[in-house]
Amino acid sequence: AQTVTQSQPEMSVQEAETVTLSCTYDTSENNYYLFWYKQPPSRQMILVIRQEAYKQQNATENRFSVNFQKAAKSFSLKISDSQLGDTAMYFCAFKGNAGNMLTFGGGTRLMVKP
Amino acid sequence: EPEVTQTPSHQVTQMGQEVILRCVPISNHLYFYWYRQILGQKVEFLVSFYNNEISEKSEIFDDQFSVERPDGSNFTLKIRSTKLEDSAMYFCASRVAPNEQFFGPGTRLTVL
Repeated sequence: AQTVTQSQPEMSVQEAETVTLSCTYDTSENNYYLFWYKQPPSRQMILVIRQEAYKQQNATENRFSVNFQKAAKSFSLKISDSQLGDTAMYFCAFKGNAGNMLTFGGGTRLMVKP
Repeated sequence: EPEVTQTPSHQVTQMGQEVILRCVPISNHLYFYWYRQILGQKVEFLVSFYNNEISEKSEIFDDQFSVERPDGSNFTLKIRSTKLEDSAMYFCASRVAPNEQFFGPGTRLTVL
């Protein structure tokens, strides 16, 4: 079974600064997909960024980018130029190639301070 | 932009009662999911549904739970006899593309 671990329960960053959220996972599969979801106080889960394991290039979406280290099974999220609206819970999630389900990490609560 | 919707946003029920949580997935999506999140804990997979049948389910999804797609638009989760520990946020999700799941806003279920 896959597991996803987020070792930072809480983090804070000053507005306009850069922050990196960590995620590690464990799997025996070679092809899989990784995601970062944002959950603001409204509780809705919003997809931030996704990465296919077969792609060597790190995914980027505007201020959000990932550092995907397949050998180390690490998938960190970097938020550049942090904004107050980035304050939320961030969940790392894994999906295997064959299965349907997402396996989530425990989440990191990010607070962006003015 | 199309989105997954869920009703009600908050449901309060007495222990032992049946509840039905409703979801309207995005219209051209083919795969449907229910997840739950107990307050302060991680999001957990419950069940996936495709082609009018359950394709995968977790250990949490026991005989008290059932899912249904009663018509072409709704996707429901029924809890037959609620327990206190069923109190959680329940998220519906759907997808058409191979891997990106779109989540609804959730239904907060409170069992008293």
